[in-house]
Amino acid sequence: DAGVIQSPRHEVTEMGQEVTLRCKPISGHNSLFWYRQTMMRGLELLIYFNNNVPIDDSGMPEDRFSAKMPNASFSTLKIQPSEPRDSAVYFCASSIQGLGTEAFFGQGTRLTVV
Amino acid sequence: GENVEQHPSTLSVQEGDSAVIKCTYSDSASNYFPWYKQELGKRPQLIIDIRSNVGEKKDQRIAVTLNKTAKHFSLHITETQPEDSAVYFCAARVAARQLTFGSGTQLTVLP
Repeated sequence: DAGVIQSPRHEVTEMGQEVTLRCKPISGHNSLFWYRQTMMRGLELLIYFNNNVPIDDSGMPEDRFSAKMPNASFSTLKIQPSEPRDSAVYFCASSIQGLGTEAFFGQGTRLTVV
Repeated sequence: GENVEQHPSTLSVQEGDSAVIKCTYSDSASNYFPWYKQELGKRPQLIIDIRSNVGEKKDQRIAVTLNKTAKHFSLHITETQPEDSAVYFCAARVAARQLTFGSGTQLTVLP
């Protein structure tokens, strides 16, 4: 298994543009998490899904952020419109629900909004 | 929800010395406590974890201890080496819910 796959690895966009981050979890994992990492705020959970259903989106900063998981092998995190303060590294992670097992992280997407 | 506090935020040790990082958690129902290591520019990766039915776990130079009564757990690294330099995150999870991470500790091992 190639692990959790995120794309793109780097994204530079202008303020106001729509940004879509993509994630493919490890096959067989039924929990998926989106985290944002900044120097100031560390690792913040944005949203997580169990069996493709959003369970807790209380970490989503505002309505500009949305996430979907249309099937077990794909999730997207969308920011529309993007702002410079959204610049961060966005990590996707997956795990097996309920077994107290580790979460495996993707390589992350480094987003820069100018 | 769960709240995890981690200390210290930065830690410098001489090569060969031990390093200890401590975390506390708020939700007594938490039952899984992993530690992640994140090297510069890379993803967090699990280095060791412990479940609530165990008080201590060792893996070569690293060990984790858990005190459920006090709701704290610690990471111990012995005989530190320069390649141990990284950011370390503790985390806690209640059953099937999400991991809540601590704020991280930047460990620097001085040669």
